[in-house]
Amino acid sequence: ETGVTQSPTHLIKTRGQQVTLRCSSQSGHNTVSWYQQALGQGPQFIFQYYREEENGRGNFPPRFSGLQFPNYSSELNVNALELDDSALYLCASTTPGESYEQYFGPGTRLTVT
Amino acid sequence: KNQVEQSPQSLIILEGKNCTLQCNYTVSPFSNLRWYKQDTGRGPVSLTIMTFSENTKSNGRYTATLDADTKQSSLHITASQLSDSASYICVVFAGSARQLTFGSGTQLTVLP
Repeated sequence: ETGVTQSPTHLIKTRGQQVTLRCSSQSGHNTVSWYQQALGQGPQFIFQYYREEENGRGNFPPRFSGLQFPNYSSELNVNALELDDSALYLCASTTPGESYEQYFGPGTRLTVT
Repeated sequence: KNQVEQSPQSLIILEGKNCTLQCNYTVSPFSNLRWYKQDTGRGPVSLTIMTFSENTKSNGRYTATLDADTKQSSLHITASQLSDSASYICVVFAGSARQLTFGSGTQLTVLP
């Protein structure tokens, strides 16, 4: 276990709806990254939060947004869901320092119908 | 463009056998290279992290090698077990850019 938790474990939504996914990072980690992983692919970077500010973003549209809270937990919000948003969503918290080691949560499996 | 390519895409071996997974990368600047194991439907778990100056690193039955000149890495699994069945993902960290580039993974299946 990495100490990173995510909720919910699974989620089914309808196209056009909105969804919020949650992540609690490992104690002492002030950086959280979110990834989208399609079946059979490697994770794709969505964005990263450092001390409650967005600190880097991948090639995802603005309907993907996030928040980080003072306790360093985080949310990923996706609006106007599309079928292609169906994926495993991973969050990872990062150790301070140069190694930048990431610890991944178990993921949330989102299915859009 | 930063890229990480892994081969083979999938691999099936018998329990007890050894195998080697390959990773080629074109990531700059290079800071470190990681190998992760990902069980189906779960988050990746780190196996090794190697910096520029490290050629070999072991974690139990897993041994990773790195050739920074040719930008190649390999993960060797010795005496495979059924529980080794998973996707193995190679990830390169570009330190100053604070970016991780992921490979698509090698899906390993170990049969009894």
